[in-house]
Amino acid sequence: AQSVTQLDSQVPVFEEAPVELRCNYSSSVSVYLFWYVQYPNQGLQLLLKYLSGSTLVKGINGFEAEFNKSQTSFHLRKPSVHISDTAEYFCAVRPANQAGTALIFGKGTTLSVSS
Amino acid sequence: ETGVTQSPTHLIKTRGQQVTLRCSSQSGHNTVSWYQQALGQGPQFIFQYYREEENGRGNFPPRFSGLQFPNYSSELNVNALELDDSALYLCASSLVGQGDGYTFGSGTRLTVV
Repeated sequence: AQSVTQLDSQVPVFEEAPVELRCNYSSSVSVYLFWYVQYPNQGLQLLLKYLSGSTLVKGINGFEAEFNKSQTSFHLRKPSVHISDTAEYFCAVRPANQAGTALIFGKGTTLSVSS
Repeated sequence: ETGVTQSPTHLIKTRGQQVTLRCSSQSGHNTVSWYQQALGQGPQFIFQYYREEENGRGNFPPRFSGLQFPNYSSELNVNALELDDSALYLCASSLVGQGDGYTFGSGTRLTVV
């Protein structure tokens, strides 16, 4: 079975500051890793994903994440945040190469960007 | 390409009633998954349908059931509603064989009173 722990429930930052949202996972098999963003009263939008290959993954809106297999982490980073980045962020995993398996989500991190 | 559409967007039901939520998959996708997202929580997997059959289920009781139709659209049915069923219900479609192709709808907000 897989599990995801998002280490910070809330992250307040000022506009143009860097941010890191932390995600650790647990799995006995290889996994695919994802970060989703959810704006108020909306569904989930994929920010980026790691399937294989380079451990540094770049996504939309200037976000990037690094897969660290030894530390079982997949932290999300952005060098300079905007007010519009205020949202809920979810880290998710699913077993690699196994059709029909579901995404397992963390509890989310609320990113609040202020001016 | 069209995205995933869900209906209705909001719904209020009374405890003990039954509810049906609907989802139209993204064009080209053949798998649909349903998730329940309680307030302040991450989405929890309910079940997944592929080729009109359930091929995966999370820790939800049998009163949560579903259907997938030949056009890959889907329904989520919940019987004997409980107050704790109040949540945002998200539908996601994907294409079997693709590890990453989950597209989510905007969800249905269900309130049970």
